[in-house]
Amino acid sequence: ELKVEQNPLFLSMQEGKNYTIYCNYSTTSDRLYWYRQDPGKSLESLFVLLSNGAVKQEGRLMASLDTKARLSTLHITAAVHDLSATYFCAVSPLSDDMRFGAGTRLTVKP
Amino acid sequence: KAGVTQTPRYLIKTRGQQVTLSCSPISGHRSVSWYQQTPGQGLQFLFEYFSETQRNKGNFPGRFSGRQFSNSRSEMNVSTLELGDSALYLCASSGSGNTIYFGEGSWLTVV
Repeated sequence: ELKVEQNPLFLSMQEGKNYTIYCNYSTTSDRLYWYRQDPGKSLESLFVLLSNGAVKQEGRLMASLDTKARLSTLHITAAVHDLSATYFCAVSPLSDDMRFGAGTRLTVKP
Repeated sequence: KAGVTQTPRYLIKTRGQQVTLSCSPISGHRSVSWYQQTPGQGLQFLFEYFSETQRNKGNFPGRFSGRQFSNSRSEMNVSTLELGDSALYLCASSGSGNTIYFGEGSWLTVV
């Protein structure tokens, strides 16, 4: 059974600090997704990582993928309050059948 | 370009009733998938349709069903509702690219 594990599940950080969210998955997948969800809202696509060593950056967020270790990271640089949200990683072993991690609830404090 | 549209956005049903949720994908997208989100179980895959055919199905009881029409619009149906079916139901669509886009969701409350 495919398992996707994120850690930490809760993250409280101060503005200006850096931190990394980890996503481990248990089986081969050709795609790794990162999404953001604000309270009461839907999922916003952040990154799609397709190959080993892939790195993508958007603003203060950078995602990377190591398919050999079955590990993806989402690195937050110089956090700001607007980044407060829940972040999900997901893998799709088959077409668009995505399996999600439990999510990391990020709170950025001034 | 219009996004993924889900209707209704909010609904309240009574145990034992059935409900139908609708999803219109982004124009040109042929793949539609459905997810259930609850505080306890998180985001769980329900099923995926492509060109009117169900390609994958998650681990849900037969009370959960879906279909896709020739215009790629999709519906999901839940029969004999239970309290535990209360959730946010999310529809997602994808086309030839790799990004999967989600709709705003349908909030279902079963009382």
